[in-house]
Amino acid sequence: SAVISQKPSRDICQRGTSLTIQCQVDSQVTMMFWYRQQPGQSLTLIATANQGSEATYESGFVIDKFPISRPNLTFSTLTVSNMSPEDSSIYLCSVGTGGGGYGYTFGSGTRLTVV
Amino acid sequence: GQQLNQSPQSMFIQEGEDVSMNCTSSSIFNTWLWYKQDPGEGPVLLIALYKAGELTSNGRLTAQFGITRKDSFLNISASIPSDVGIYFCAGLQGAQKLVFGQGTRLTINP
Repeated sequence: SAVISQKPSRDICQRGTSLTIQCQVDSQVTMMFWYRQQPGQSLTLIATANQGSEATYESGFVIDKFPISRPNLTFSTLTVSNMSPEDSSIYLCSVGTGGGGYGYTFGSGTRLTVV
Repeated sequence: GQQLNQSPQSMFIQEGEDVSMNCTSSSIFNTWLWYKQDPGEGPVLLIALYKAGELTSNGRLTAQFGITRKDSFLNISASIPSDVGIYFCAGLQGAQKLVFGQGTRLTINP
């Protein structure tokens, strides 16, 4: 299965600032996704990162707050903009591997604390 | 949005005991996945189920895709300390969207 490198692994940020999270995959993948995991909670899909076009956002998430780039088939970034303490979460990159996207693989996540 | 109902939310067991957890939904899913998450890590895929009624094993883990396609269970036999963690079910909607359950936190007393 694909190996995902996600950076940074953790960060503490001041409110009002922005943080860009990077996701690098060791092979070309069609589907890349970004998830949020709030403290003690399950995973919620933020958006699907599409190569060569705008990301597709889920209900409750908007591009101005979570801009996403996907310049090629192995790399994507998620920016958390104008952060507030409510943005403190783990942000996870995921890729679909295999036919039909089965066997989704996750990165180790970025633990973000906003103070 | 769509949610999966996962139960129990937490389990406290003795080492060596068997574990059972399940997920239900009001919607049909094409695929059911079971993940385990350790502290500070992303979820790791344990078992993937692709067909209604399918029963699949991975070592001490066994999972089944419900015949109605609206539920799945995961069993762990003869639990060991490294089984500690949070287990998530996930259902695949359409071609690519994963919906996760709330998780089951497993604690094992040695």
